This record gives sequence, structure tokens and C-alpha cells, in this order.
Amino acid sequence: AQSVTQLGSHVSVSEGALVLLRCNYSSSVPPYLFWYVQYPNQGLQLLLKYTSAATLVKGINGFEAEFKKSETSFHLTKPSAHMSDAAEYFCVGGGATNKLIFGTGTLLAVQP
Amino acid sequence: DTGVSQNPRHKITKRGQNVTFRCDPISEHNRLYWYRQTLGQGPEFLTYFQNEAQLEKSRLLSDRFSAERPKGSFSTLEIQRTEQGDSAMYLCASSRTSGNPTDTQYFGPGTRLTVL
Repeated sequence: AQSVTQLGSHVSVSEGALVLLRCNYSSSVPPYLFWYVQYPNQGLQLLLKYTSAATLVKGINGFEAEFKKSETSFHLTKPSAHMSDAAEYFCVGGGATNKLIFGTGTLLAVQP
Repeated sequence: DTGVSQNPRHKITKRGQNVTFRCDPISEHNRLYWYRQTLGQGPEFLTYFQNEAQLEKSRLLSDRFSAERPKGSFSTLEIQRTEQGDSAMYLCASSRTSGNPTDTQYFGPGTRLTVL
């Protein structure tokens, strides 16, 4: 299964600014990668997933992630942050049994 | 689609007591997963079922932990002789398996356990 590393446990951006949350993976097999979001007092929700069909993956709420094999990265971006984006974001690796391996999470704060 | 439900949402217990949590997956989802999330960490895999068969258990799942899915529908997770280190959020997820490792797992709201 994948192991993933999220760089930055806390990220703060201004409303309207670019959101960039970093994730690097390590594996010797084709990666299965996801981004999940956890809003305050809510369950985990899938934002997007990499299925090897395309390197640029579009998800919900305007988020997207680009799979870069040369950099072993799967960073999450959004062009313009909204207050409602404040949440914890998890980069997640998967394996053949669908067991998910979560990163340590990045807490995104959006300042007005 | 009612989503994955978990009961209770919160449980406070004294050290040494037994506790049981229930998870009801999305109907027709044949895979069911249990994860544990401690404060400041991402969820960690505990175990999963395909239908009623428990196919994998993490080393995190000590002998005090047992999970069942008797009819391939709901599942229970029991912790015997609870310890303070068991305090965590216990998450359940389900998926419809097509044999694709990217099948989406849908998570429930979790059961927060506090062991005093």
C-alpha cells in the first residue's frame, strides 16, 4: 500500500487566494491516491481520486490535483479560497485491498 | 441513499469497561471498513469485511478488540477492558466493490470514545 506525506500541518490563506496543499507519495507500484476533506463536526468526504486516466484530476468544490510521477507528488490546489473551504484535508493512499493509508492531515484556515 | 450511520455518536466509559459500537453501511455495499482516528492524526485502518468475512486485521487491533459482520450488513466493533489509550474517534466506511482499488469509501460520522 501507499505511504503518503503531507507537508505542513497548518496552512492559512486569505479569502480569494490560491490554495496549495502538498502531498508526496512513495511506492514501487502504480499509486492509488485520493484527497479527503473533513469539515468540522462532519464525516470524511471524498474530494477527488487519481485513477490513472488523467494526471490532472478535478474534484468537487473547485479543487483539483495533479499527479506528477517524476516528483512523486499529488498536490491539491484551488485557484480562489472561500471561507467554506476551512477544514482538514487528508492525502490518502490506497492498495489492492482498498485499505486506505491516510496522511497526517493539513488544517486549512481561510482568513477574511 | 441514507449514508453510513454509526451509533452511538459519543461514548464515555470508565477504564476496564466493555463498549460496543455499531455501523450500518450504505445498503448493497459489500465492503465495510473500521478506522481509528486519534487527536491530530489521520485515520488508521483497523479491519475490513467483504460481506460477512473479515479479510484483514491491522496489528493495531489487539486481542481486546473484536469486530463482526454476521449477516453481511451492519457491523459491530467491541472493545473489552477499555484503556485510556483507546480514547479516539472510531470511523466506519463502506464501499461497493468492483474489484477496483479506487472504489470510493463512504465514511460515517464516527463514534467518539472517551475512556476515563
